[in-house]
Amino acid sequence: ELKVEQNPLFLSMQEGKNYTIYCNYSTTSDRLYWYRQDPGKSLESLFVLLSNGAVKQEGRLMASLDTKARLSTLHITAAVHDLSATYFCAVDVRGGSNYKLTFGKGTLLTVNP
Amino acid sequence: DAGITQSPRYKITETGRQVTLMCHQTWSHSYMFWYRQDLGHGLRLIYYSAAADITDKGEVPDGYVVSRSKTENFPLTLESATRSQTSVYFCASSGFGHHYEQYFGPGTRLTVT
Repeated sequence: ELKVEQNPLFLSMQEGKNYTIYCNYSTTSDRLYWYRQDPGKSLESLFVLLSNGAVKQEGRLMASLDTKARLSTLHITAAVHDLSATYFCAVDVRGGSNYKLTFGKGTLLTVNP
Repeated sequence: DAGITQSPRYKITETGRQVTLMCHQTWSHSYMFWYRQDLGHGLRLIYYSAAADITDKGEVPDGYVVSRSKTENFPLTLESATRSQTSVYFCASSGFGHHYEQYFGPGTRLTVT
């Protein structure tokens, strides 16, 4: 059974600081997704990482994937208040034909002035 | 309008009642999913569908029924609602053209009294 663990689950940071959210998963996968959820809203896709060594960047967020270590990171650079949200990683089980995703429990990020 | 929609957005029902949540997508995505989101549990997959007339159980299927007679629709029925089914329900769809990235509907907040 695929397990996806995110840490930390709660992250309070100051504006301007850098931090990294980690996503570990338990079985081989070549496809990993990051989503953002604002309070009371739906999930919005941020990044799709499709191969080992993949790196994607959008604004102050950068995601990377190391399939050998079964690890993805979401790095936040110079945080701003607008980045406050819950961030989920999700992993596609390799070799499956049903394209199900298993989600981590999410990281609640609060950026304080 | 293009995209994925859910109805109703909010629903209050009584224990024992049958209730159906609707999901409609306009992308002709082959895959559709139903999740529930509860505090402390993250997103859990209830049922998914790979194509019309093909459905399969997810992590927490008990008490739920799905059907998919048309590609664009994927209704979720709670046959006899229980208080433990109070939750926020998200529908999602994915297809080949977007690396099977899942796109989420706006959600339905269901309260069972």
